[in-house]
Amino acid sequence: GAVVSQHPSRVICKSGTSVKIECRSLDFQATTMFWYRQFPKQSLMLMATSNEGSKATYEQGVEKDKFLINHASLTLSTLTVTSAHPEDSSFYICSARDGGTSTDTQYFGPGTRLTVL
Amino acid sequence: AQSVTQLDSQVPVFEEAPVELRCNYSSSVSVYLFWYVQYPNQGLQLLLKYLSGSTLVKGINGFEAEFNKSQTSFHLRKPSVHISDTAEYFCAVTLYNFNKFYFGSGTKLNVKP
Repeated sequence: GAVVSQHPSRVICKSGTSVKIECRSLDFQATTMFWYRQFPKQSLMLMATSNEGSKATYEQGVEKDKFLINHASLTLSTLTVTSAHPEDSSFYICSARDGGTSTDTQYFGPGTRLTVL
Repeated sequence: AQSVTQLDSQVPVFEEAPVELRCNYSSSVSVYLFWYVQYPNQGLQLLLKYLSGSTLVKGINGFEAEFNKSQTSFHLRKPSVHISDTAEYFCAVTLYNFNKFYFGSGTKLNVKP
């Protein structure tokens, strides 16, 4: 099946710094990528939807200036958490939708655990 | 608006026993239904999906689910579980454009020897 990778898998940073998380579709072109956030013992909450070459669409309550999303190519989307604070600590998961044959399914990356000290 | 309810947060079961993980959804329009599994510190893996056709859907690892429109349910079943099935399972729905997925709160399946 389709594979989505994320890098890094874990990151620890100091409060006030910025962290970039990469999401790549390895064997298909992802016209649309999604970023989710998962708090401990909770489900996934969609943060934003990004389409290649255009601005991301953010869900209500998600700060655009804090969570910068760039979908520069059909295989890469990045999420940058700017001026991170401890409350931003979470598990961030990206997913990608195949623009070709499997447009009905989102393929999920393995996630990135962010810890802000 | 759409919502997904997974009533059981945890389900303990002995190895080789059958299991059913419940999922109910609420929507004013037609939806498509999915089950995903998440192993510790990993992303989600698709187990199965219902788009149309037969209401009984078979997925990977011996799992199956049945779509019941009248009861707005999509329960996941497996006749005989293994230790390796220990994980968290998420039910999700999406609309025709397959963009926004609405996830349930998850059910932790704990298979005991």
